[in-house]
Amino acid sequence: KQEVTQIPAALSVPEGENLVLNCSFTDSAIYNLQWFRQDPGKGLTSLLLIQSSQREQTSGRLNASLDKSSGRSTLYIAASQPGDSATYLCAVPETSGSRLTFGEGTQLTVNP
Amino acid sequence: GAVVSQHPSWVICKSGTSVKIECRSLDFQATTMFWYRQFPKQSLMLMATSNEGSKATYEQGVEKDKFLINHASLTLSTLTVTSAHPEDSSFYICSTGQGAREQFFGPGTRLTVL
Repeated sequence: KQEVTQIPAALSVPEGENLVLNCSFTDSAIYNLQWFRQDPGKGLTSLLLIQSSQREQTSGRLNASLDKSSGRSTLYIAASQPGDSATYLCAVPETSGSRLTFGEGTQLTVNP
Repeated sequence: GAVVSQHPSWVICKSGTSVKIECRSLDFQATTMFWYRQFPKQSLMLMATSNEGSKATYEQGVEKDKFLINHASLTLSTLTVTSAHPEDSSFYICSTGQGAREQFFGPGTRLTVL
């Protein structure tokens, strides 16, 4: 059974810092990996989707990498802003049927 | 990407009553929808897979008679929490997508059972 782990569970940084969030998964036979953002009391916003054949994806200040063989993905946030404060979740589909297994999330606080 | 809506966005009900939550795929024919539950400060846990025109598939430990799922059309799946109790208070989120491609999530429904 796929297990997804995120480290750290919480992170607090001053505005402007670059930071890295980590996600690891136990079964490397994945189709893709998706990073989400969740604001308190809200639903999920998809940030980046990396297909299994890709090594990274970029969107603005966000860059996600994928290393299937080691079962790891990282989300890099450049020049962090207070508006980036949220919980970041990574998820992988268990099978081609796309039901997702989520990590526990990293709660990010960017202090002005 | 697909647009997914949920209704209501929040609901408060008395213990013992039933609550229906709707999940609509606004621009995508969703043969499959997923229902997740999220307790405070925890991640999302899959409850069931809703299949259009057939029975839902429930995850281990989820009572199918308590959480009734109906997926009668390609754009609508409903989750009914029957005889709700305070421990059912949670954030319920649905999602849909195409195969192993990107999943799109609804905005969630906050259920509070008094």
